Amino acid sequence: GDSVTQMEGPVTLSEEAFLTINCTYTATGYPSLFWYVQYPGEGLQLLLKATKADDKGSNKGFEATYRKETTSFHLEKGSVQVSDSAVYFCALTTGNQFYFGTGTSLTVIP
Amino acid sequence: DVKVTQSSRYLVKRTGEKVFLECVQDMDHENMFWYRQDPGLGLRLIYFSYDVKMKEKGDIPEGYSVSREKKERFSLILESASTNQTSMYLCASSSGRKYSNQPQHFGDGTRLSIL
Repeated sequence: GDSVTQMEGPVTLSEEAFLTINCTYTATGYPSLFWYVQYPGEGLQLLLKATKADDKGSNKGFEATYRKETTSFHLEKGSVQVSDSAVYFCALTTGNQFYFGTGTSLTVIP
Repeated sequence: DVKVTQSSRYLVKRTGEKVFLECVQDMDHENMFWYRQDPGLGLRLIYFSYDVKMKEKGDIPEGYSVSREKKERFSLILESASTNQTSMYLCASSSGRKYSNQPQHFGDGTRLSIL
């Protein structure tokens, strides 16, 4: 069945460091891919999305490219800030149901 | 912006009580969802609805029921609350028909404690 696997955390980075959170997926059909962010005590917020192969989603300095050949959708940011500390979820849907990864906790220290 | 509002941020109830969690969305979305989120288990789908008065079971429906009498409102009901239902509950909505690849939009969650 469809599924998402993302790197385990927690991840701790210094401010201005480069961030990569890996996400790979298994899907029948042609999924849409998403990254969500959850700040402490809040719900999930849509961070970015990509709906077809080679699409690049971007928002707030975060980017992810839909790579069909490697079935991946890795999240990257060139220079993280303390305010980026949160839990990040990769997700996919082929229209039938949403599948979320288990989340990767990121802490950015000044 | 899409607004999904959950009626309570924190709720404390006792075992055996009937508990109602309410969720309202303001974007005329067809689809609505209830998840629970537990450490180490991620998000698990309890129920979803793709139309008024329609509902489908998710992965963990046992001990829960839902009601969707109006398009904008989706209620989760714990028929007889138990301590293992202590969790964070998240409501979400999305546009499109039943088989939609549109993103889901989430409320801020209700942290429910059953004593």
